[in-house]
Amino acid sequence: DTGVSQNPRHKITKRGQNVTFRCDPISEHNRLYWYRQTLGQGPEFLTYFQNEAQLEKSRLLSDRFSAERPKGSFSTLEIQRTEQGDSAMYLCASSFRELQGTYGYTFGSGTRLTVV
Amino acid sequence: AQKITQTQPGMFVQEKEAVTLDCTYDTSDPSYGLFWYKQPSSGEMIFLIYQGSYDQQNATEGRYSLNFQKARKSANLVISASQLGDSAMYFCASQGDFGNEKLTFGTGTRLTIIP
Repeated sequence: DTGVSQNPRHKITKRGQNVTFRCDPISEHNRLYWYRQTLGQGPEFLTYFQNEAQLEKSRLLSDRFSAERPKGSFSTLEIQRTEQGDSAMYLCASSFRELQGTYGYTFGSGTRLTVV
Repeated sequence: AQKITQTQPGMFVQEKEAVTLDCTYDTSDPSYGLFWYKQPSSGEMIFLIYQGSYDQQNATEGRYSLNFQKARKSANLVISASQLGDSAMYFCASQGDFGNEKLTFGTGTRLTIIP
């Protein structure tokens, strides 16, 4: 297990199309987070899961966005009817809740979305 | 709600010198955690150090230390003996109490180490 894996690394899509990203967390981790990062900014929280339960969603997560974590393993983030403002780096992170203070959150390398 | 303020958009430091990156936070949670992450040009976020709000001592991890001043709500990162590989974006982040456990990030500081 080499860390948090995100696919694809890059995605270019036309405005109005749907896109789906996948995140495979570290297998022992019970928490999984999605963040969005635009150029020159820090990551912004989108949503997080404890096992398969989605515990919180940001107001940034409009109804065009949906995230799932079936069976508490990998997670998918889908964006429907993409807009140019959705262009960003989408980061996934996982953690073991009880050890966040020791090991922090482990982030993946992200999926860079470009909407044209 | 949590808020993180990083007032230094960019810093240039001579190699082997120590550097302090500033971070102030605002939270109403009685218990919280503070994190520092490094983001090199490759884009991956790398965990550096953590400070719990009730920890009695300032956190240290190798060349990294966190200067935690609770009354001032500051959590500055100190990097001793800087190296060229330290050039990157640095983000301060906070995590709230139970039920408010997402990370909230600042806007970051771009650190450049000069040989």
